Amino acid sequence: EIVMTQSPATLSLSPGERATLSCRASQSVSGSYLSWYQQKPGQAPRLLIYGASTRATGIPARFSGSGSGTDFTLTISSLQTEDFAVYYCQHDYNLPGTFGQGTKVEVK
Amino acid sequence: EVQLVQSGAEVKKPGESLKISCKGSGYTFTSYWIGWVRQMPGKGLEWMGIIYPGDSDTRYSPSFQGQITISADKSISTAYLQWTSLKASDTAMYYCARQVTGTNELDPWGQGTLVTVSS
Repeated sequence: EIVMTQSPATLSLSPGERATLSCRASQSVSGSYLSWYQQKPGQAPRLLIYGASTRATGIPARFSGSGSGTDFTLTISSLQTEDFAVYYCQHDYNLPGTFGQGTKVEVK
Repeated sequence: EVQLVQSGAEVKKPGESLKISCKGSGYTFTSYWIGWVRQMPGKGLEWMGIIYPGDSDTRYSPSFQGQITISADKSISTAYLQWTSLKASDTAMYYCARQVTGTNELDPWGQGTLVTVSS
């Protein structure tokens, strides 16, 4: 089973700042099979990025994904108030498609 | 619009059985895998298993193998997650989600079903 490790656990930032979230896999994952999800309190997760770098339908351009192999990054270029949430990475390379433990982006 | 609608919240006692559902609409239900994800209170997401409704091919995470059963009824475009003997530790929110063919991301997600197991 591939273990996904996200860092940091919590990111305290102000609106307008840049957020950089990291996700590391315990073994190489094809870049085509790395996704990022956003979850707000009381809501189901929502797909943001798939294939490591492709934004899902309707996702604003301030969200971008990058990386390959074992190291991946989600960047939010300028935080909006609605972006404060928990973010999860997930690999879909093989089964089980494990998730990282999440990074909470909170208001500083 | 592609949509997954889950059954409502459940309150059960330890030892009881339960089957929750996830109904798909707006797409060909038999052509996409449906996955189930657990979220325990205040915790992260855990991948439980996945089913292909077209032929009921089912895969489980080793962490959940033997603890749950995933099934589907393609005639009514519905996937199921069931337990034969619930434990207090099964208390969680459970989500279903469609796995996109080729790139395997989960999209969309159902709204979630809260299962509470308490004596």
